[in-house]
Amino acid sequence: AQSVAQPEDQVNVAEGNPLTVKCTYSVSGNPYLFWYVQYPNRGLQFLLKYITGDNLVKGSYGFEAEFNKSQTSFHLKKPSALVSDSALYFCAVRDNRDDKIIFGKGTRLHILP
Amino acid sequence: DSGVTQTPKHLITATGQRVTLRCSPRSGDLSVYWYQQSLDQGLQFLIQYYNGEERAKGNILERFSAQQFPDLHSELNLSSLELGDSALYFCASSTGTEDSNQPQHFGDGTRLSIL
Repeated sequence: AQSVAQPEDQVNVAEGNPLTVKCTYSVSGNPYLFWYVQYPNRGLQFLLKYITGDNLVKGSYGFEAEFNKSQTSFHLKKPSALVSDSALYFCAVRDNRDDKIIFGKGTRLHILP
Repeated sequence: DSGVTQTPKHLITATGQRVTLRCSPRSGDLSVYWYQQSLDQGLQFLIQYYNGEERAKGNILERFSAQQFPDLHSELNLSSLELGDSALYFCASSTGTEDSNQPQHFGDGTRLSIL
């Protein structure tokens, strides 16, 4: 069965510093991996995805994520955090042999001015 | 704006009642997904429809049911409501090709409160 873990409930980063939001996954087949962001009282917004190919994926708002097959991780990163990046971030995984998608529990990112 | 429309935005009802949540997917999207978001359970996948047919099932209770109509809008029916059903219910849509690695586009949700 597939699963995804976001080990940190909350991450605090000073504005201008690099940020990392962690995600690890488990699937039987090949993973499709996604990051979404949720702002208050809104639905989730797609940030980026990894399907195949280059392990470093670039997405919206300057975010990127690195796929690491050996560590089964897909950490979200940004070189320089903005206060407006403060939100709830979800990692999601889909097994390419299964239609179900599993979301992590979310990590709340606080960017401190 | 994601292009996915959910109605109503808020719903307040009592235990034992039945409600229907409605979702209009983004233009051109064939797949519709339903999710429940609560503080203690996080975001739970309920069910997916693709072009009118059920495609995948997640943690959906037997008291809940859904369908996707020929015009591709979808409804989620919740019956015999319990206090624990209070949550945000999201609909999402995607192009839903056979090898579905496409991102989902989420509506802003329906907040259901059970009194």
